[in-house]
Amino acid sequence: GQQVMQIPQYQHVQEGEDFTTYCNSSTTLSNIQWYKQRPGGHPVFLIQLVKSGEVKKQKRLTFQFGEAKKNSSLHITATQTTDVGTYFCAGVNDYKLSFGAGTTVTVRA
Amino acid sequence: DAGVIQSPRHEVTEMGQEVTLRCKPISGHDYLFWYRQTMMRGLELLIYFNNNVPIDDSGMPEDRFSAKMPNASFSTLKIQPSEPRDSAVYFCASSRQGIGEAFFGQGTRLTVV
Repeated sequence: GQQVMQIPQYQHVQEGEDFTTYCNSSTTLSNIQWYKQRPGGHPVFLIQLVKSGEVKKQKRLTFQFGEAKKNSSLHITATQTTDVGTYFCAGVNDYKLSFGAGTTVTVRA
Repeated sequence: DAGVIQSPRHEVTEMGQEVTLRCKPISGHDYLFWYRQTMMRGLELLIYFNNNVPIDDSGMPEDRFSAKMPNASFSTLKIQPSEPRDSAVYFCASSRQGIGEAFFGQGTRLTVV
């Protein structure tokens, strides 16, 4: 079945620094979504990428979908304490969302 | 809209007891998903419905788990009998058209002792 791998599992970032989390699928995806889950909370939708090679930005967050539609990345610039949480990618195929293991981000002030 | 509503928020039960988790999706959403989240296994899709019909239950761990959606505004996930390894946070999510944004409920934290 479809598997979505996400790295790194943990990311400890100094406030103000940049970081990237990566997502890879074993199969070609219809689209890919990104979610953020704050500690003790529930996943909240951030964005959806549909087209091959697509790049979307949300303020300090840049999302990219690979040309082969099998990988994606999330890059955060100038990390802030509000960025703390777990970021999940979710591959979509046959109407099923398959979540990666997530990257848990902590920020050193 | 109040969003996806799950109840109860917390459930503590003894091994062997029946547990029923409830979900009210967002009005107008055609798809409903049940997920289980644990530290070891992350977010696992258990089952999803389209227009109240179960489409894929391949993620349901075993026969002790069952899910129903009797109408467009209500779904249940039942575990009978419950076991300690069922302890997890169970999320319900709904979406319009299936491949769009999924809205998650607050989750039910289940502890089986």
